[in-house]
Amino acid sequence: DAMVIQNPRYQVTQFGKPVTLSCSQTLNHNVMYWYQQKSSQAPKLLFHYYDKDFNNEADTPDNFQSRRPNTSFCFLDIRSPGLGDAAMYLCATSGLQLTGKGTYEQYFGPGTRLTVT
Amino acid sequence: LAKTTQPISMDSYEGQEVNITCSHNNIATNDYITWYQQFPSQGPRFIIQGYKTKVTNEVASLFIPADRKSSTLSLPRVSLSDTAVYYCLVGGPDGGTYKYIFGTGTRLKVLA
Repeated sequence: DAMVIQNPRYQVTQFGKPVTLSCSQTLNHNVMYWYQQKSSQAPKLLFHYYDKDFNNEADTPDNFQSRRPNTSFCFLDIRSPGLGDAAMYLCATSGLQLTGKGTYEQYFGPGTRLTVT
Repeated sequence: LAKTTQPISMDSYEGQEVNITCSHNNIATNDYITWYQQFPSQGPRFIIQGYKTKVTNEVASLFIPADRKSSTLSLPRVSLSDTAVYYCLVGGPDGGTYKYIFGTGTRLKVLA
């Protein structure tokens, strides 16, 4: 089945130690998103890629970066994690369906729960 | 970008119809309204999407009035397994990029 995969599902990192979260998709969607979801809060959009074009939300800290080497993969890099960055990180995709019909429905991965010690 | 608000929580009994509202007073012309269900430690799962009027699929209906400043997700005959957090997501294309904002979320508890 076509899907959005996130690895790892659980990640523990130390305060200030860089960490990378990965996302892959088999949907061949042209848009990929990263969201941060803290406990008991709604997901918050950090940034997204429209094809190779990177679009950052205005209030996303510089500590968060992203890379998209190809259509299928997207990475979230946290350069110096702080205790406040502990959260669930969700990857999502959207794009044209196989029928060629556009839709703005986002397909979410299972998330990576990041713990900062 | 539309600021979206939802009731914090709702309780219902099995077999009842549940209606959850989302307020998005500043919705833009290109914005769509999508509803998601989320269980603990899982990613949001798509329920339904609409732009205006009424949309129905096999699991839910979505009602959007003409001014589009609110929307209502209707779940017919809920069961215990529908206990989850429900989010509306408002947004869409915005000048070559996309803008999205999730609603505050409604925690639905279905009682036996």
